[in-house]
Amino acid sequence: EVQLVESGGNMVQPGGSLRLSCAASGFTFSSYAMSWVRQTPGKGLEWVSAISGSGGSTYYADSVKGRSTISRDNSKNTLYLQMSSLRAEDTAKYYCAKQLDSSSWFVVDYWGQGTLVTVSS
Amino acid sequence: DIQMTQSPSTLSASVGDRVTITCRASQSISNWLAWYQQKPGKAPKLLIYKASTLEKGAPSRFSGSGSETEFTLTISSLQPDDFATYYCQQYNSYSPTFGQGTKLEIK
Repeated sequence: EVQLVESGGNMVQPGGSLRLSCAASGFTFSSYAMSWVRQTPGKGLEWVSAISGSGGSTYYADSVKGRSTISRDNSKNTLYLQMSSLRAEDTAKYYCAKQLDSSSWFVVDYWGQGTLVTVSS
Repeated sequence: DIQMTQSPSTLSASVGDRVTITCRASQSISNWLAWYQQKPGKAPKLLIYKASTLEKGAPSRFSGSGSETEFTLTISSLQPDDFATYYCQQYNSYSPTFGQGTKLEIK
């Protein structure tokens, strides 16, 4: 059974940093691209970042480019998102997401339960 | 970025009804479109990808159609479990975007 378990969400002050983690199990982690997707009541669902199975290719939404780094440790079956210079508009529930297959890079067939990031002074 | 616009934003329907939700893209996305269902407090669930391919495990009463800029999600006969919010998502580029959602409510 595929499981994705996020952690690391917290309340942080504007300008602060946070690292989200996602522990994956139930599939061959290194064979699949992974993404982070966030959701807010106001802006809905927003794709944040993606990384290839090998970790050699990464993609970012313009809203987080230059402030976030996605990475993965295939030996630990873990996905990360390092976020810095956090802003109020980064407040959201962050989901770890597994790609459907190699031809559907940004289609998500499994989601974690989400971790809440709140940016507030 | 490609903008995705869903209509209606809210839809009231009854069990047994046939319902259709529309998603329009601001530019052509071929058939690179997915549909998700989300219930309160839960993560989204994939229903359809490549505009019309039913995800394994998704009920056959869900179907998708369309290409280029206009797409539809149809539920042939609404079941109580189907009352939820539905999102479309384009993945034509390396900057995927979602529609704003359609909330399907019980009439």
